[in-house]
Amino acid sequence: NAGVTQTPKFQVLKTGQSMTLQCAQDMNHEYMSWYRQDPGMGLRLIHYSVGAGITDQGEVPNGYNVSRSTTEDFPLRLLSAAPSQTSVYFCASSFWDGGPHNEQFFGPGTRLTVL
Amino acid sequence: TQLLEQSPQFLSIQEGENLTVYCNSSSVFSSLQWYRQEPGEGPVLLVTVVTGGEVKKLKRLTFQFGDARKDSSLHITAAQPGDTGLYLCAGVGRGSGNTGKLIFGQGTTLQVKP
Repeated sequence: NAGVTQTPKFQVLKTGQSMTLQCAQDMNHEYMSWYRQDPGMGLRLIHYSVGAGITDQGEVPNGYNVSRSTTEDFPLRLLSAAPSQTSVYFCASSFWDGGPHNEQFFGPGTRLTVL
Repeated sequence: TQLLEQSPQFLSIQEGENLTVYCNSSSVFSSLQWYRQEPGEGPVLLVTVVTGGEVKKLKRLTFQFGDARKDSSLHITAAQPGDTGLYLCAGVGRGSGNTGKLIFGQGTTLQVKP
């Protein structure tokens, strides 16, 4: 099993450009999430999905779009990149049955710089 | 809004010392998780605590969930350089409308010097 994979590992964008961060998992997890990590702020939830066709907003959704057409893939789209979106982005997946356990398996991250 | 406050934010100690990291909130959580993250990698789950007052041990690491399920602590005995990393606590929300979303603390950067 590859677990959670993310591409690309590094990306530099100019302000106003758009791009898609890819995330895929092979563990048949229904629950997938996108986080951003900034120094001193832990991880903040951007968007999440409880299954194919269902997505919802997290703490910091502005400037990002997601879709979930398959169980395996959960891409994150930046519509018009801004310097404030410079961050490290992590995708995660988990098995969640509605109970207290929602242990996340994280990908290796994408380091994004917006100039 | 549920918040988790972690302390301290930075800790630099000598090999063999003991340390405790705290994760506090005014909100009740269904569970608390602890993750460890190394530079350039994603966080990796260490443990989940679910029951108030629960204590779990992982070799030299001891995790405790507060009786009221609002706080947790991580205690490391005889720290080693291999314990160096970023430690993150994360809570799963509780109550109606629970969506499984995790709230993360700011993290504690631990450096253990040989």
